[in-house]
Amino acid sequence: SQQGEEDPQALSIQEGENATMNCSYKTSINNLQWYRQNSGRGLVHLILIRSNEREKHSGRLRVTLDTSKKSSSLLITASRAADTASYFCATGGGATNKLIFGTGTLLAVQP
Amino acid sequence: GAVVSQHPSWVICKSGTSVKIECRSLDFQATTMFWYRQFPKQSLMLMATSNEGSKATYEQGVEKDKFLINHASLTLSTLTVTSAHPEDSSFYICSAPVPNAGGGTEAFFGQGTRLTVV
Repeated sequence: SQQGEEDPQALSIQEGENATMNCSYKTSINNLQWYRQNSGRGLVHLILIRSNEREKHSGRLRVTLDTSKKSSSLLITASRAADTASYFCATGGGATNKLIFGTGTLLAVQP
Repeated sequence: GAVVSQHPSWVICKSGTSVKIECRSLDFQATTMFWYRQFPKQSLMLMATSNEGSKATYEQGVEKDKFLINHASLTLSTLTVTSAHPEDSSFYICSAPVPNAGGGTEAFFGQGTRLTVV
């Protein structure tokens, strides 16, 4: 199954700084979702943006979507050490509901 | 939110034996569940779609006779790794889709199972 590409693969920042992660995908989508995974754990849903939306906010999270470029970005503002995790974009859903995940970005927030 | 429970969280087994992993939806019914596999520092790779009351749908390259999936009820799907080998060692995660208020569906994940075959 096709996978989206995320960059950077790894990102290290200081607490309080903003973190931006990018996701590119290959097929047409109904929506794009972002998930977070703490080491060795399951994934937690963060935010969903529909194909007709360009930007969405949830707390310290800001997601953009550019369907013409088949890309999305996740911005975490005022990062905290507890934000340290891997972040994945996922596309799919639709009739089958199955999600295809991007390659992920490992974020490390230094206290 | 919806809760998906996966058991066991970790298991060590001998090469050649079989291991069963359970995925339960605790507070909702799931006619569909998904099984993923994740190698260290890599993304999740979809293995198969588990369908309640019917055969699972496997992704290309996944051996259905090796990874047996049973979805006998609306709240339970099981993945059995048969005749396990060291290369089957991985992190296995299940998920179940739930309609999202924002449109589409949101996936709720189990805690994952770390399988080590020795």
